Amino acid sequence: KAGVTQTPRYLIKTRGQQVTLSCSPISGHRSVSWYQQTPGQGLQFLFEYFSETQRNKGNFPGRFSGRQFSNSRSEMNVSTLELGDSALYLCASSELDRVYFGPGTRLTVT
Amino acid sequence: DQQVKQNSPSLSVQEGRISILNCDYTNSMFDYFLWYKKYPAEGPTFLISISSIKDKNEDGRFTVFLNKSAKHLSLHIVPSQPGDSAVYFCAALDSNYQLIWGAGTKLIIKP
Repeated sequence: KAGVTQTPRYLIKTRGQQVTLSCSPISGHRSVSWYQQTPGQGLQFLFEYFSETQRNKGNFPGRFSGRQFSNSRSEMNVSTLELGDSALYLCASSELDRVYFGPGTRLTVT
Repeated sequence: DQQVKQNSPSLSVQEGRISILNCDYTNSMFDYFLWYKKYPAEGPTFLISISSIKDKNEDGRFTVFLNKSAKHLSLHIVPSQPGDSAVYFCAALDSNYQLIWGAGTKLIIKP
């Protein structure tokens, strides 16, 4: 099976813009989670989707949102970008007791 | 050799009291730790996590404590409720973003 894919891999945006990141889970996986990794805060949980429903949400402002489609692909959106949003955004897909992370999207906000 | 260990296969706690689930790890390079909850016939659901640069993370009734010098983390559930009865897995994320799982602890909340 193909692994978790994330697009784009790298992205540069300016403050105030919005961005949409995409994650395609492993075929058959219904759960998709998103994480933000920064040097200052380490890895932090954003949200988890299961069968198109948000099942869990971390402590991030409302500028961060996500959704999951019927084919389990997921997108996360960040509006009104701030410099502090520069990070590696990781997506993970899971089914039963297996969790797999994608390669991440490196977002730089200037 | 198990890198993430949950030494208690099961734990029984009275409803309303505190549940403490323990997890030990051997690799000091782990960046991130996660706790998952699993009901029978369902996949694990994410519960709470902690970055290796912190020592405590709290979310409602759930608090995770990390003691890096002891390579130990614990999940506290206060107060325990019947719906908390499940298997709890501790997992560590290595530098390659691979999750290393513990064997799980079955938590039983007694009414």
